[in-house]
Amino acid sequence: GENVEQHPSTLSVQEGDSAVIKCTYSDSASNYFPWYKQELGKRPQLIIDIRSNVGEKKDQRIAVTLNKTAKHFSLHITETQPEDSAVYFCAAYPSNYQLIWGAGTKLIIKP
Amino acid sequence: DADVTQTPRNRITKTGKRIMLECSQTKGHDRMYWYRQDPGLGLRLIYYSFDVKDINKGEISDGYSVSRQAQAKFSLSLESAIPNQTALYFCATSVDTDTQYFGPGTRLTVL
Repeated sequence: GENVEQHPSTLSVQEGDSAVIKCTYSDSASNYFPWYKQELGKRPQLIIDIRSNVGEKKDQRIAVTLNKTAKHFSLHITETQPEDSAVYFCAAYPSNYQLIWGAGTKLIIKP
Repeated sequence: DADVTQTPRNRITKTGKRIMLECSQTKGHDRMYWYRQDPGLGLRLIYYSFDVKDINKGEISDGYSVSRQAQAKFSLSLESAIPNQTALYFCATSVDTDTQYFGPGTRLTVL
């Protein structure tokens, strides 16, 4: 079945710098790749997603890129701010109707 | 997101007890999910339901059962709780292969 690996597990960046989180997946049939943000003590919430017919998608300071050949996708956050501090989860949606989640990346924004 | 609610929010119980966690939604979504979250392991799917008559096992269904009482209600039961079921449990809803909306979570401790 599908397996999603997420790296790094912890990422610390200076406020204002960029952050990149990478995920790889194993099932070439996966066709939907969302990213969720979970602030401390809160529920996960979708921040951006991409489908397999698109290579890149942007929404203000966040972007997601997808490389279907290499089976990896990445989250890019530019001009990081303190409110970006959270745990970020990637996921992949293969053909068996279950989202498969990465283990999460704790993003720390240093002032 | 007040449209998805979970009760109780916190529960401490003893080994061997039967526990029920409840989830209600006012979004009108057909699809509902139960996840557990453990530190460093991300979100793992326990059960999912595409409608009242369609219930499916997820990645880690052993030791759990569910009931879909109505489109808006999806309950998770631990028939005989054990300590390694101590975790944060999330209910979620969605329309098709789209954004999943999470409830606030139930923190369960099994002593």
